[in-house]
Amino acid sequence: DQQVKQNSPSLSVQEGRISILNCDYTNSMFDYFLWYKKYPAEGPTFLISISSIKDKNEDGRFTVFLNKSAKHLSLHIVPSQPGDSAVYFCAASASGAGSYQLTFGKGTKLSVIP
Amino acid sequence: EADIYQTPRYLVIGTGKKITLECSQTMGHDKMYWYQQDPGMELHLIHYSYGVNSTEKGDLSSESTVSRIRTEHFPLTLESARPSHTSQYLCASIPGQLTDTQYFGPGTRLTVL
Repeated sequence: DQQVKQNSPSLSVQEGRISILNCDYTNSMFDYFLWYKKYPAEGPTFLISISSIKDKNEDGRFTVFLNKSAKHLSLHIVPSQPGDSAVYFCAASASGAGSYQLTFGKGTKLSVIP
Repeated sequence: EADIYQTPRYLVIGTGKKITLECSQTMGHDKMYWYQQDPGMELHLIHYSYGVNSTEKGDLSSESTVSRIRTEHFPLTLESARPSHTSQYLCASIPGQLTDTQYFGPGTRLTVL
């Protein structure tokens, strides 16, 4: 059973508009969440993270929102740029339980149209 | 900038061959990981190591084996490759706490004919 779900396999957005990528999780032990970006034939690169003690974390054009009661997080990219076109993975860990392992979603392929 | 390397980047081999995928990092990280990823699917943890001479299997059952004789080196071996092993293999490491950034190598795309 998938513990981290990204229900949208793909998303297309016009350049300059907002991209919103969603992620749901089922494991209540998860307390640390990350977003990774992956280009074809490359390894994932870290984008932004959020701890469960926060509900928002911002880094430049990227903002992650966490709704613990709904077990939902989202990544907002504003404004979207063509270079943002990639697959975005949501990941989670139970760091408070001493786990050094990440559980990943299946990813959402973002296409930013010029 | 993280320095984690994987070789080869691409490998096409025949069934039954023994292969070793190399992963090295120059950052002195204790914790290293191997993931397997198929297109459109999540990354599945297949092996991890928290230090020299320490290796564990991950959530996804794998016929591969790993070793950690040196901190910087975490190779993955398939004794007898099969078409079902065709996938992308990603190596990663973290400095210490999981809340540190997990750095990934560029991956090895393996195709077994």
